[in-house]
Amino acid sequence: QLQLQESGPGLVKPSETLSLTCTVSGGSVSSGAYYWGWVRQSPGEGLEWIGTIYYSGSTYYNPSLKSRVTISVDTSKNRFSLRFDSVTAADTAVYLCARHRGGTIYYFDYWGQGTLVTVSS
Amino acid sequence: QSALTQPASVSGSPGQSITISCTGTASDVGTYNFVSWYQHHPGKAPKLMIYEANERPSGVSNRLSGSKSGNTASLTISGLQAEDEADYYCCSYARGGNLVFGGGTKLTVL
Repeated sequence: QLQLQESGPGLVKPSETLSLTCTVSGGSVSSGAYYWGWVRQSPGEGLEWIGTIYYSGSTYYNPSLKSRVTISVDTSKNRFSLRFDSVTAADTAVYLCARHRGGTIYYFDYWGQGTLVTVSS
Repeated sequence: QSALTQPASVSGSPGQSITISCTGTASDVGTYNFVSWYQHHPGKAPKLMIYEANERPSGVSNRLSGSKSGNTASLTISGLQAEDEADYYCCSYARGGNLVFGGGTKLTVL
C-alpha cells in the first residue's frame, strides 16, 4: 500500500523559507507512471494546489504561487520536497503531499495526512 | 477565496440523498471534464471519490455519483450513512495549467 509522509519544521518565522519533505513508501517516485504534488489548506479555508513534479524534474506550479515555490525530487531517497520562500502569516496552513492518479496531473489518488506549518515570530 | 464555489454545509438524514454543487467558470469546470471530488475527514488523508466528473475509482461506493452541466459540477450521495459525514472538496483543471479547488462542503448526517 502506497504511503506518503510529510515532514519538516512546524514553525517558521516570517520572511524565512519553509521547507518540507514528502517521503514515499510502498512505491517509487521514480516510476514514470505518476506525478507527485503538494497541496495546502489554510485555517478555515479550502484546499489550494501548490505544485507538481515528475521524476525527471519537470515541474508545474500554481501561477499565483510560482514566484515563491520550488519543488524538487530526490529519487535516491524516494522523496520529493517543497521550498516556499519569503513566507508570511498567510502561508500558515496544513501542507499535504499527494500522488497524482494515472499519469496525469488532474487528480490525486493517494495523500499524506498533512503537516501543520505555522508562520510566526 | 476559493476558485470554485461550494455550499459551506449540507445535511441529510440517513437513507436520504444529498447533492453538493461546485460552480466554476468557462475557464475551468465549463471547459474541462477534469473534475474530481475528495472526501476529507479532518486529520486524515483525503480520499478521491470521483474523477473525470463522473467516474468512480475502484472501491468507492456506487451510492456516490458525479455529474456536470455547464460551469457547475455536482456530487450526489444517495442512501446517506453516518460514515458519509465529512468534508467534501471539488477540484478542476483550469486553463493555463492550474488546478483549482472549491472551498469545501461540510456534510452532516442528522
